[in-house]
Amino acid sequence: GAVVSQHPSRVICKSGTSVKIECRSLDFQATTMFWYRQFPKQSLMLMATSNEGSKATYEQGVEKDKFLINHASLTLSTLTVTSAHPEDSSFYICSAREGPRSSSYNSPLHFGNGTRLTVT
Amino acid sequence: GQNIDQPTEMTATEGAIVQINCTYQTSGFNGLFWYQQHAGEAPTFLSYNVLDGLEEKGRFSSFLSRSKGYSYLLLKELQMKDSASYLCAVRGTGGYNKLIFGAGTRLAVHP
Repeated sequence: GAVVSQHPSRVICKSGTSVKIECRSLDFQATTMFWYRQFPKQSLMLMATSNEGSKATYEQGVEKDKFLINHASLTLSTLTVTSAHPEDSSFYICSAREGPRSSSYNSPLHFGNGTRLTVT
Repeated sequence: GQNIDQPTEMTATEGAIVQINCTYQTSGFNGLFWYQQHAGEAPTFLSYNVLDGLEEKGRFSSFLSRSKGYSYLLLKELQMKDSASYLCAVRGTGGYNKLIFGAGTRLAVHP
C-alpha cells in the first residue's frame, strides 16, 4: 500500500530556533499534502494544505510566516517551524492522497508517522 | 461552520460489540472516513462512506445517514488491541477535498 515517510520522528530544540520536518510519499505521487497538528488527547487540527508547485493554503488562525511550507516536488513537502516557542510543542503529522486532485476525492489519506516536537 | 461530535471515551469488554457514534454539521459533504489511532502513532484508515447505508469490512462496519448527519462505527469481537482512539472525519466539497476530524473517541477494551 501507499507509504508516507515523515522525518524526523522526534526533535527537541531550543526556543528561538527553527525546525524542518519532511514528508515524502514513497511509492506514489502526491499533488496535495496536508499538515496537521495534534495536542495531547485532542484530535487532528488541519494547519495547511500543501500544493506542488504553488503556495500553501493555510487554515484560519495558522500563521503562514511561522509555519513555512514548501512542496517542491510531487513526492516531498516540508514544514518549517520558524522561531519555535514552547507553545509550538506538539505532534505534527503530514498526510497525502494518491493521484491528482480531481480523481482522488474518495481515496483515503495516508499518514506519516508524525513528528514529536518539543521546544525547551 | 464545521462541527463533528463523538463521545470522548468508551469502555467495552473483550469479545463484545461496541458502536461509536458520530454526528456532523458541515458546510459541504463529500464522504465520511473512520480512522484508528494508537497513542503516539499516526492514524490508519478503517472505512469510507459516501452513500447511505452500511459498509462492512471484517470485524469493522460503518454506517452513514446523510439526511441525519450521522454515522457510526461498529466493532465486533473486540480484542485488546482494539484499544485506541477512533476518529471520525468528514470531507468537504472545497477545492482540496480536505478532511476535518472530530475530537476522537478513546476506546478501552478490558478482559
